[in-house]
Amino acid sequence: QVQLKETGPGLVQPTQTLSITCTVSGFSLTSYYMQWVRQTPGKGLEWMGFIRSGGSTEYNSEFKSRLSISRDTSKNQVFLKMNSLKTEDTGVYYCARDPGGHFDYWGQGVMVTVSS
Amino acid sequence: DIQMTQSPASLSASLEEIVTITCKASQGIDDYLSWYQQKPGKSPQLLIYDATSLADGVPSRFSGSRSGTQYSLKISRPQVDDSGIYYCLQSYSTPYTFGAGTKLELK
Repeated sequence: QVQLKETGPGLVQPTQTLSITCTVSGFSLTSYYMQWVRQTPGKGLEWMGFIRSGGSTEYNSEFKSRLSISRDTSKNQVFLKMNSLKTEDTGVYYCARDPGGHFDYWGQGVMVTVSS
Repeated sequence: DIQMTQSPASLSASLEEIVTITCKASQGIDDYLSWYQQKPGKSPQLLIYDATSLADGVPSRFSGSRSGTQYSLKISRPQVDDSGIYYCLQSYSTPYTFGAGTKLELK
């Protein structure tokens, strides 16, 4: 069955880089867009960006050049990297599968705290 | 950016009522609108996509509709398990944007 699971560091210091891996099973990354969404106390649910089935990406300009999404199809993994972290980046980060403009399966989310 | 104005922010309803939650888009979004339910400590779950299509496994008491640029989620005869926070999402153009959420309490 379809499963997604995010793994990440939990605690990141300000100005450092966040790296989260989304490991999927039950479907192929080459057949679906994969989305990243975060949920923060300050802004609620916030779309971050996606990687298309073909491998190209699109990002929310809100994150300017801080954000990068990539994948390894051989390992069924999608990666999120965001640098220059601030305390306002504290929240839960989700990956989700997109079959066509909606998010039908979500990971459980990974809580990230930005603090020194 | 397309703004999604969701209302109400919260509501309390009885099990015999029809619950309606709305999202108004700041411009046309061609029915690229989906609805999600989130329970505490859990990830959002898809209910409705393409404005009116019911997601797999979602009870038929949930339905979606559109009038102009206002989209509605209706829950007919809600169950206690329908408590939670509901969000709309527009995926017509990037940046995709979510509504602020509606907290539903069933009494």
